[in-house]
Amino acid sequence: EVQLVESGGGLVQPGRSLRLSCAASGFTFDDYAMHWVRQAPGKGLEWVSGISWNSGSIGYADSVKGRFTISRDNAKNSLYLQMNSLRAEDTALYYCAKDRHYGDLTSFDYWGQGTLVTVSS
Amino acid sequence: QSALTQPASVSGSPGQSITISCTGTSSDVGGYNYVSWYQQHPGKAPKLMIYDVSNRPSGVSNRFSGSKSGNTASLTISGLQAEDEADYYCSSYTSSSTLVFGTGTKVTVL
Repeated sequence: EVQLVESGGGLVQPGRSLRLSCAASGFTFDDYAMHWVRQAPGKGLEWVSGISWNSGSIGYADSVKGRFTISRDNAKNSLYLQMNSLRAEDTALYYCAKDRHYGDLTSFDYWGQGTLVTVSS
Repeated sequence: QSALTQPASVSGSPGQSITISCTGTSSDVGGYNYVSWYQQHPGKAPKLMIYDVSNRPSGVSNRFSGSKSGNTASLTISGLQAEDEADYYCSSYTSSSTLVFGTGTKVTVL
């Protein structure tokens, strides 16, 4: 059974940093691209970032480019999101999601339950 | 990276068919066959319903079907059931090597 478990969310002040983690199990982690998707309270889904199986291809939404960094450790079956210079508008539930493919960023076939990030003073 | 355009709401009676549109540009929906659809019930994580425009993952009811014409993709739900009441989002690969979601559609079963 595929499982994605996010952690690292919490309350953080504007301008500070936070690192999210996603522990994956139930599939061969280094065979697939992975993503972070967020959803602000009462709002729609927003793709944040994606990374190919070997970290050779990485993409970011314009809203986070230059502030967020996605990475993965295939030996630890883990995905990460380093979030710097956080803003109030980054407040959201952050989902870890598995891609159907290993290279191209295409679609999300499994999702975690999310970790909540609240940016507020 | 503008969000793809979806109708805010669509409704139908049990047993009817409804269609949700997802309009983009030639740089996303019209340019690639990586269009997917997700169902999200309140308080739950999204669920993949359609991938690569018209393919259904194992376990998804064949009442759900997808298609694309030009820059607009569509999700059709036939034989509408109460359990289909949820929010639906489309997603597409883009020419910037990123992904973009639609604005979301709330489906109401009357």
